[in-house]
Amino acid sequence: AQSVTQLGSHVSVSEGALVLLRCNYSSSVPPYLFWYVQYPNQGLQLLLKYTSAATLVKGINGFEAEFKKSETSFHLTKPSAHMSDAAEYFCAVAGAGGTSYGKLTFGQGTILTVHP
Amino acid sequence: EAGVAQSPRYKIIEKRQSVAFWCNPISGHATLYWYQQILGQGPKLLIQFQNNGVVDDSQLPKDRFSAERLKGVDSTLKIQPAKLEDSAVYLCASSLDSDGSGGAAGANVLTFGAGSRLTVL
Repeated sequence: AQSVTQLGSHVSVSEGALVLLRCNYSSSVPPYLFWYVQYPNQGLQLLLKYTSAATLVKGINGFEAEFKKSETSFHLTKPSAHMSDAAEYFCAVAGAGGTSYGKLTFGQGTILTVHP
Repeated sequence: EAGVAQSPRYKIIEKRQSVAFWCNPISGHATLYWYQQILGQGPKLLIQFQNNGVVDDSQLPKDRFSAERLKGVDSTLKIQPAKLEDSAVYLCASSLDSDGSGGAAGANVLTFGAGSRLTVL
């Protein structure tokens, strides 16, 4: 079984400050890991994905995430927050093969607020 | 390429009424997913199709929910009769393949539609 836990349902940062959104996963098979962003009244947009190549993954809009197997974590970071980053962020896990392939299991989401 | 199309975007119904949502995936995508996103929660998989066959419907409340994907292209999700707790956003997503045979690592990226927001009164 796979699961994802996002630590903190709300994160608030000042514009220009570091963004850190935490995600821990549980998976019985080698995982694929994803971060998606959801703006109000829109669908989910892929930010980045980990597929067992490089452990440090760079995504769109300056975001990156590091896969740490020993910590079962896949935290999302951005060095300098922008007002346009305000949105809800979801971490998700999928199996890399077998019957769990392709089936995303999502965390509960973290709402990011950016203050001027 | 065109994205995943969903309609209607918004629907308000009374409990015990029925509702249907439609999804047209990205052209050529074999796999189609329906997710339910309740306010304050992450999306939860309801059903997964590969072409016109069901791969996984273990989380679909089959006493009231049904879904079909005729001809392996677009799909319809129906709720009958609706309950208050069905109020949610219904997200459709599609992906190129579903069994890892696509070759490239991580080929199975899901592309989501904008969703259909259902309010049951």
